[in-house]
Amino acid sequence: EAGVVQSPRYKIIEKKQPVAFWCNPISGHNTLYWYRQNLGQGPELLIRYENEEAVDDSQLPKDRFSAERLKGVDSTLKIQPAELGDSAVYLCASSLGRDPGNYNEQFFGPGTRLTVL
Amino acid sequence: QQQVKQSPQSLIVQKGGISIINCAYENTAFDYFPWYQQFPGKGPALLIAIRPDVSEKKEGRFTISFNKSAKQFSLHIMDSQPGDSATYFCAARSGTSYGKLTFGQGTILTVHP
Repeated sequence: EAGVVQSPRYKIIEKKQPVAFWCNPISGHNTLYWYRQNLGQGPELLIRYENEEAVDDSQLPKDRFSAERLKGVDSTLKIQPAELGDSAVYLCASSLGRDPGNYNEQFFGPGTRLTVL
Repeated sequence: QQQVKQSPQSLIVQKGGISIINCAYENTAFDYFPWYQQFPGKGPALLIAIRPDVSEKKEGRFTISFNKSAKQFSLHIMDSQPGDSATYFCAARSGTSYGKLTFGQGTILTVHP
């Protein structure tokens, strides 16, 4: 079974440019997460989707970040305009879970390493 | 109150030794405590996890010890191997905030042959 797929794997852009990341979750996984992992730190949740609905986007900087999950499968995370501080690894994860009362393992993709110059 | 504090930041162990990584939390609403292993260029992968009603869980060479009253939990890697060299993250799941995972800062483990 294929894991979580992310592209691109690496992206280098100039500040103030836009950038987009794509994620294809594991087939059948209704829950999708976007995390940001700064160098030497643990992942931090940006947004969580249950199917098409963003159920937790409290940590998403909405002035420059946006995300969508059309048809409840693939998802795109966008930054516009990018700032120097956005340099990080952006991880996508998916899980079966719908009910927060039942833990379901989150499977992570390899991430997209973003460098903003 | 949402933080999970992890120590040490880095750890060097000889092959065959025991690796111990510690985490502490404040939020009593956390209801699940997983450990993740991350190799360079890869995403984190679930290693082992524990619920707070259990004091210890063992899977092969990996053991979680959980102290609910102290709000602390730790990962023990017995007979550490060079292939265990990776970054390890503890995490805690919120039982109230859509199952959100809060990660510790990570521990870089190096196992020398």
